[in-house]
Amino acid sequence: AQTVTQSQPEMSVQEAETVTLSCTYDTSESDYYLFWYKQPPSRQMILVIRQEAYKQQNATENRFSVNFQKAAKSFSLKISDSQLGDAAMYFCAYRSQWLRDMRFGAGTRLTVKP
Amino acid sequence: KAGVTQTPRYLIKTRGQQVTLSCSPISGHRSVSWYQQTPGQGLQFLFEYFSETQRNKGNFPGRFSGRQFSNSRSEMNVSTLELGDSALYLCASSLEGTGETGELFFGEGSRLTVL
Repeated sequence: AQTVTQSQPEMSVQEAETVTLSCTYDTSESDYYLFWYKQPPSRQMILVIRQEAYKQQNATENRFSVNFQKAAKSFSLKISDSQLGDAAMYFCAYRSQWLRDMRFGAGTRLTVKP
Repeated sequence: KAGVTQTPRYLIKTRGQQVTLSCSPISGHRSVSWYQQTPGQGLQFLFEYFSETQRNKGNFPGRFSGRQFSNSRSEMNVSTLELGDSALYLCASSLEGTGETGELFFGEGSRLTVL
C-alpha cells in the first residue's frame, strides 16, 4: 500500500525567508501524481503544487517549487520569500494513476514569524 | 464555476443518532470522494463515487455509507454515531478524462460533533 510520510510536524520560518518541507512516499508504481495541499485555519484545502511522476522537471508555481527525487521517493516543497499568508497546515499527497483515493501525509504546521 | 459545496457546515449530534452530509461537486466533475479528518488520525479516505457507483472504499465500518445521484451530488451517512466519529468530513471532486490532472478539489467541510 502506498504511504506518505511527513517527518516534520511543525516548522517555523521568518517572513521573507525560505523554508523547505519534507515528504517521502512509498510505492511500487511507476506512474502517479504527487501534490502539496495547504489548509489554512479556515479549513479549506487548496492545491499548492502538483507533480506528475513521469516528468523529470521539478514543478514550480511562483514562490513554491518542489524537489522531486523519484528514485529516492522524495518530494519536498520549498517556499521562497515566505509571507504571513503562507501560515497553514501543509499536506503532501500521493495519488496513483489507477487507484482513485488520494493518500495524505500527517501534515506539517508552518508558522511564519513577522 | 462554483466550488465544491458541503452542507451543513456544522452540526451537533448525540451518540446513537445518525447523520447525513451533502456534497455538490464542481460542475462537470463526476468523481466525488469523502475524507474524515481528525487531529489524531489525520486525513482518512472513506469512499469514492463515480457515475453513481462506489468505486473505492476505505477501511471504515459499515455504519459509514454513501451514495451519488445522477447529477453527481453525493451524500454520506453515518448511523449509530459514536463519540469517535467527531471529525471534519471533507468532500472532494475531481475531473476525469480530458483535462484530468489528478487534483482533488475540496469543499470547506462539515464539522460533526458527537456528544
